[in-house]
Amino acid sequence: EAGVAQSPRYKIIEKRQSVAFWCNPISGHATLYWYQQILGQGPKLLIQFQNNGVVDDSQLPKDRFSAERLKGVDSTLKIQPAKLEDSAVYLCASSSPIEVSGNTIYFGEGSWLTVV
Amino acid sequence: EDKVVQSPLSLVVHEGDTVTLNCSYEVTNFRSLLWYKQEKKAPTFLFMLTSSGIEKKSGRLSSILDKKELSSILNITATQTGDSAIYLCAVRDNYGQNFVFGPGTRLSVLP
Repeated sequence: EAGVAQSPRYKIIEKRQSVAFWCNPISGHATLYWYQQILGQGPKLLIQFQNNGVVDDSQLPKDRFSAERLKGVDSTLKIQPAKLEDSAVYLCASSSPIEVSGNTIYFGEGSWLTVV
Repeated sequence: EDKVVQSPLSLVVHEGDTVTLNCSYEVTNFRSLLWYKQEKKAPTFLFMLTSSGIEKKSGRLSSILDKKELSSILNITATQTGDSAIYLCAVRDNYGQNFVFGPGTRLSVLP
């Protein structure tokens, strides 16, 4: 079974530039998450999709971050304009539909962003 | 707001030592608690603990959920250098599918 695919793996940009990250979840996983992980911290949820609808984007800085999952499969996360504090790993994850006993989420390898 | 706290934040041991990592949580309507191991890449799943499965074991790793104390421990016996990683604890409630992560414990195992 193929895992969660992300690209690019690494990106270095200057502040005020824009960047986009792509994620393709595990086949059949309806729920897709974007997490931001700053060095030394745990992952923080940015946005959660169920199919092509947004479930939770309460922690997404909407003045500069946007995300879409138009066809309910792959997703794009965009940052425009980037700030120095956006330097982090952007982790995409996916999970299958809710089961009675709960389920796990599966992570991609992350997109490492450095803003200089 | 759901919250997860882990301790210690950092730990250095020698090969062969036994370590215990702690996770405590505050969550409305608890559903499950998960442990992940993160090396220089994406977190990989270790265990999921729920009300119906409060103890899990795999090789040298084991974990217990204490629903009364709202906490969990992750034990690693006979540590090896390959156990060096960040160990993340996450909780999930029954309302959504969001997983709230703690800050992680950075474990360094020296030869």
